[in-house]
Amino acid sequence: NAGVMQNPRHLVRRRGQEARLRCSPMKGHSHVYWYRQLPEEGLKFMVYLQKENIIDESGMPKERFSAEFPKEGPSILRIQQVVRGDSAAYFCASSPTGSPNYGYTFGSGTRLTVV
Amino acid sequence: KQEVTQIPAALSVPEGENLVLNCSFTDSAIYNLQWFRQDPGKGLTSLLLIQSSQREQTSGRLNASLDKSSGRSTLYIAASQPGDSATYLCAAPYTGANSKLTFGKGITLSVRP
Repeated sequence: NAGVMQNPRHLVRRRGQEARLRCSPMKGHSHVYWYRQLPEEGLKFMVYLQKENIIDESGMPKERFSAEFPKEGPSILRIQQVVRGDSAAYFCASSPTGSPNYGYTFGSGTRLTVV
Repeated sequence: KQEVTQIPAALSVPEGENLVLNCSFTDSAIYNLQWFRQDPGKGLTSLLLIQSSQREQTSGRLNASLDKSSGRSTLYIAASQPGDSATYLCAAPYTGANSKLTFGKGITLSVRP
């Protein structure tokens, strides 16, 4: 079991470009969560998805950010027209169910740098 | 809304010392609490998950306790080693049984040889 796989590990984008971050959950996990870690801040919840459904996107900025988890393939976090303030580490976690009784397995993260 | 606090932000101890990392949370109606370790530039590694029905969990030199009534959890590290140097994060469900997590800002531990 390869665990939660995130790619790329590092991503550099110029202001105005698009960033696409990928997350493949652990085998058998159908629930995916995205968190963002800004410099000197804790991890903040962004969005919770189940296959083909967005369950909770209350932590997502209203503009430029979107997420999907298609029936086939990884979950994608998409940031359009990136700005310097988007520079952060983005972590994905997966869980076998939406129950809090199970812990969460995190990926190694994607470190986005906007120049 | 859950708030998780970890104080102090940084801690430096000599090798071999037993130490306690503290975590406090505001909403005590939680199903569990999880401790993670994060090495610089790396992802999060789950250390211990304590269910609300439990009072503590142990893994090797680590022991985590949970006191819901006081809104506190502690991570005890026995006989600390330089390899324990990392940032330790605690996370509680946003509310009750909600599956999204609220994280503390972490405690950065440095164990001096």
